[in-house]
Amino acid sequence: GAGVSQSPRYKVAKRGQDVALRCDPISGHVSLFWYQQALGQGPEFLTYFQNEAQLDKSGLPSDRFFAERPEGSVSTLKIQRTQQEDSAVYLCASSWDRSNNEQFFGPGTRLTVL
Amino acid sequence: AQKVTQAQTEISVVEKEDVTLDCVYETRDTTYYLFWYKQPPSGELVFLIRRNSFDEQNEISGRYSWNFQKSTSSFNFTITASQVVDSAVYFCALSGWSGGSYIPTFGRGTSLIVHP
Repeated sequence: GAGVSQSPRYKVAKRGQDVALRCDPISGHVSLFWYQQALGQGPEFLTYFQNEAQLDKSGLPSDRFFAERPEGSVSTLKIQRTQQEDSAVYLCASSWDRSNNEQFFGPGTRLTVL
Repeated sequence: AQKVTQAQTEISVVEKEDVTLDCVYETRDTTYYLFWYKQPPSGELVFLIRRNSFDEQNEISGRYSWNFQKSTSSFNFTITASQVVDSAVYFCALSGWSGGSYIPTFGRGTSLIVHP
């Protein structure tokens, strides 16, 4: 069975460019999380969806970050006007039910902003 | 606010040694969930265990065991007879209630290196 997939796996952007990162969760999973992982650090929560509803976006670092999951499956994390400090691995995770269950992680998208 | 501390940044052992990874947490919630995840060099986090705050029974799964002690706010992870394949970064995480959802907080991770 397919796990969580993310694309692209690697993205290089020039400072000021907009980027869009895609997450395909496991089919039927209700909950979806986005995390940012800096080098040598643990994942930092960005935002959480239950189906298509974005229930928590308290971790988004600025209004340049925007996430959506319009049909309750695929999700996109968009970063506008990228800055060097946005360079990190962006992880997506899904779980079959509520947000307190085990999460299945994707391989991540490594974003490098030059 | 919730916090997870993994004080050990890196642990290096020789194969077959036992090793314990420490995790200390802080939360004001009475209901919360604790997790351990493994991140091998490939990068994808893999779920190992989930524990709720009302279940303090220790758990053993093969060479892995977990010791949950609410009195000391700790949830430690022991690998018995370590193997080279255990080399990875291990993360402890706490999910507490926040504005209608359980939101996880991860520790900084402990890098385990098992030498042959």
